[in-house]
Amino acid sequence: GEDVEQSLFLSVREGDSSVINCTYTDSSSTYLYWYKQEPGAGLQLLTYIFSNMDMKQDQRLTVLLNKKDKHLSLRIADTQTGDSAIYFCAESKNTGFQKLVFGTGTRLLVSP
Amino acid sequence: DGGITQSPKYLFRKEGQNVTLSCEQNLNHDAMYWYRQDPGQGLRLIYYSQIVNDFQKGDIAEGYSVSREKKESFPLTVTSAQKNPTAFYLCASSSPSGRRDEQFFGPGTRLTVL
Repeated sequence: GEDVEQSLFLSVREGDSSVINCTYTDSSSTYLYWYKQEPGAGLQLLTYIFSNMDMKQDQRLTVLLNKKDKHLSLRIADTQTGDSAIYFCAESKNTGFQKLVFGTGTRLLVSP
Repeated sequence: DGGITQSPKYLFRKEGQNVTLSCEQNLNHDAMYWYRQDPGQGLRLIYYSQIVNDFQKGDIAEGYSVSREKKESFPLTVTSAQKNPTAFYLCASSSPSGRRDEQFFGPGTRLTVL
């Protein structure tokens, strides 16, 4: 099927690391993305990883990709209260245009 | 500043009425998209347009219509045929940039049917 799966909720304390997991479906996806959505707002691209990579680091963000298991994760180091948001993973499918298939989103709550 | 604007931010509609949501971009992007977001679900693609005067149905096009007369604009009409239109609607645009097509999103319109 086309379902990209994520756990719905994650709660951490400020200063801890957060790990958000995603299982995708299409082994031929070229790029995998992480988007952030703050309350009542649109989506903001946080980072992406090309399918021939297994890790990408960008400041506090680390993306890990396990192609064998079709598993993607986003680690946020030193999580801050401003990181509280919904995080979506998305895979790109080559269907003649760039179609993004989104996961259900993980709501991250960071408590002081 | 370059970006995508959507208006209005909040929209209320009576049952049986059509309503049009606006989406404008000044990023000079060729492709534009409309998504619907419901609580606990990911974004679902309604319609997309890869070029002016051309558009295609997405996964949940029933009860919706679009037009693409200008590169900058991609309005979405929610018709009375849409059985459950209350949702958050997001517009996005993208332009091929070599190895990946990043989609840029507008701030969204929340539609409530009364």
